[in-house]
Amino acid sequence: GENVEQHPSTLSVQEGDSAVIKCTYSDSASNYFPWYKQELGKRPQLIIDIRSNVGEKKDQRIAVTLNKTAKHFSLHITETQPEDSAVYFCAASRFSGSARQLTFGSGTQLTVLP
Amino acid sequence: EAQVTQNPRYLITVTGKKLTVTCSQNMNHEYMSWYRQDPGLGLRQIYYSMNVEVTDKGDVPEGYKVSRKEKRNFPLILESPSPNQTSLYFCASTRTGETEAFFGQGTRLTVV
Repeated sequence: GENVEQHPSTLSVQEGDSAVIKCTYSDSASNYFPWYKQELGKRPQLIIDIRSNVGEKKDQRIAVTLNKTAKHFSLHITETQPEDSAVYFCAASRFSGSARQLTFGSGTQLTVLP
Repeated sequence: EAQVTQNPRYLITVTGKKLTVTCSQNMNHEYMSWYRQDPGLGLRQIYYSMNVEVTDKGDVPEGYKVSRKEKRNFPLILESPSPNQTSLYFCASTRTGETEAFFGQGTRLTVV
């Protein structure tokens, strides 16, 4: 089955600096890569995603990049703010029958220091 | 409001006492799944269901059961809970063919 590795497990940055979280996946059939943000005590929520036919996608201060050949993808957050502090999960997704199966990474606790 | 609702939010129980965590969604989604979240391990899938009466094992199904008698409901059943099932549980739903998973608010289970 799919295996997703995520690094680092914890990341502290100064407010205004950039943060980068990296993930690798093993199954070449995976073709959709979402990122979820989980604030303390809350449910995971989708913040950005990328499909395998795209190399990069940006939404305001966050961007994702995908290298299909190397099977790795990354989340980039620029101009970090205290409200960016949360746990971030990457995931790799493939179709199983008619439904998408999600395999998550182990999570990164991002702390933005004021 | 479109949502996935889990109950209870918090539960403390004793080893061996059967329990059920309910999950209900009002978005008419076909696909539903259960995850457990443990520190350093991320979200691991327990069971999933592609539609009514269709369920299958995820990555960590041991000690759990599910049922899907109606499209909106997908309960998680622990027939004989053990301390290693102490965890944070999330239910999620997705519309077939679409990509975004919508999560419930989570159930923190402690088995003593």
